[in-house]
Amino acid sequence: GNSVTQMEGPVTLSEEAFLTINCTYTATGYPSLFWYVQYPGEGLQLLLKATKADDKGSNKGFEATYRKETTSFHLEKGSVQVSDSAVYFCALPYGGSQGNLIFGKGTKLSVKP
Amino acid sequence: DVKVTQSSRYLVKRTGEKVFLECVQDMDHENMFWYRQDPGLGLRLIYFSYDVKMKEKGDIPEGYSVSREKKERFSLILESASTNQTSMYLCASSLKDTIYFGEGSWLTVV
Repeated sequence: GNSVTQMEGPVTLSEEAFLTINCTYTATGYPSLFWYVQYPGEGLQLLLKATKADDKGSNKGFEATYRKETTSFHLEKGSVQVSDSAVYFCALPYGGSQGNLIFGKGTKLSVKP
Repeated sequence: DVKVTQSSRYLVKRTGEKVFLECVQDMDHENMFWYRQDPGLGLRLIYFSYDVKMKEKGDIPEGYSVSREKKERFSLILESASTNQTSMYLCASSLKDTIYFGEGSWLTVV
């Protein structure tokens, strides 16, 4: 079945630093890929998605490119802010028809002023 | 805007109590889910439902049951709460392959 592996955290950066959070996947076919974000004390929110190979998802300054050659979907941001401090989850469909997703373990990002 | 509402943000219950966690979505989605989230373990699927009165077990259904009498409402039931069920519970609904989450319910069992 499908699976996802993302880099373990925590990641601590200074404000305006460059961010990369690695995510690799194993899947049958070319499923949609997702990044979700969870701010402290809240549920998960969809951050961005890409639906096919070479697609780039983007939102709030974050980007991720669907790379089928390397089976990766790394999350990047050029200049992080304190408000980006959160836990980030990479995800892809479980493989069935019920719309379920498999989530990575999450990477906690802390941005210091 | 997409809206998934969980009725209780914070609950404290005693061991052995029956606990109901309620979730409502206003998007007419077919699929709904209950996850629990624990440090170091990520999100784990408890149950999901793809239609009214239909339910499927997820990865960790033991100790839980669910009810879906109406399309917009999906309830998680802890028949007899135990301390190892202390966790954050997340309800979600989905349209095609995109899942939308509620804000979560923090349950402490003492």
